[in-house]
Amino acid sequence: NAGVTQTPKFQVLKTGQSMTLQCAQDMNHEYMSWYRQDPGMGLRLIHYSVGAGITDQGEVPNGYNVSRSTTEDFPLRLLSAAPSQTSVYFCASSSSGGQPSEQFFGPGTRLTVL
Amino acid sequence: DQQVKQNSPSLSVQEGRISILNCDYTNSMFDYFLWYKKYPAEGPTFLISISSIKDKNEDGRFTVFLNKSAKHLSLHIVPSQPGDSAVYFCAATSTGTASKLTFGTGTRLQVTL
Repeated sequence: NAGVTQTPKFQVLKTGQSMTLQCAQDMNHEYMSWYRQDPGMGLRLIHYSVGAGITDQGEVPNGYNVSRSTTEDFPLRLLSAAPSQTSVYFCASSSSGGQPSEQFFGPGTRLTVL
Repeated sequence: DQQVKQNSPSLSVQEGRISILNCDYTNSMFDYFLWYKKYPAEGPTFLISISSIKDKNEDGRFTVFLNKSAKHLSLHIVPSQPGDSAVYFCAATSTGTASKLTFGTGTRLQVTL
């Protein structure tokens, strides 16, 4: 099993550009989520999904869109990048959305917006 | 408002000694707590968890203690090893909230020889 994979590992964007961060998992997990990590802030939840076709907002959703058309994939879209979105982005998955359970994290995407 | 707080940004411990990492929370709805370990340029990895129905959970060298009345938990690592040097995040969630984790800001542990 590859676990949770994320692409790209690094990305530099100009203000106003759009892009999609890819996330895939091969563990047949129902629950997937996106976090961002900023210095001194820990990890903050952006969006999450409890299954294909179901998504919801987390703590910091503004400027990001998600969709979940399959169990395996959960892409994160930046519609118009801003310097405030410079961060490290982590995708995570877990086997149950109803009960607390361990989440498995991908290796992260480091995004810089100029 | 930071609902999960790790007030010590860093901690240095000698190899073989005990490392104690602390975490406080303010949300009374949190009933499940997790510790994650993170190395540079990698994603966080799960270390140990505890449900609010327990006050202690042990896994090898790692023990987590939960004091619900004080809204405080701690992670003990005994004995500490150089490979334990990493950033440790405390996280909390509530049953029925789709495993949405609220993270603390992390504590960087350095285990010295």
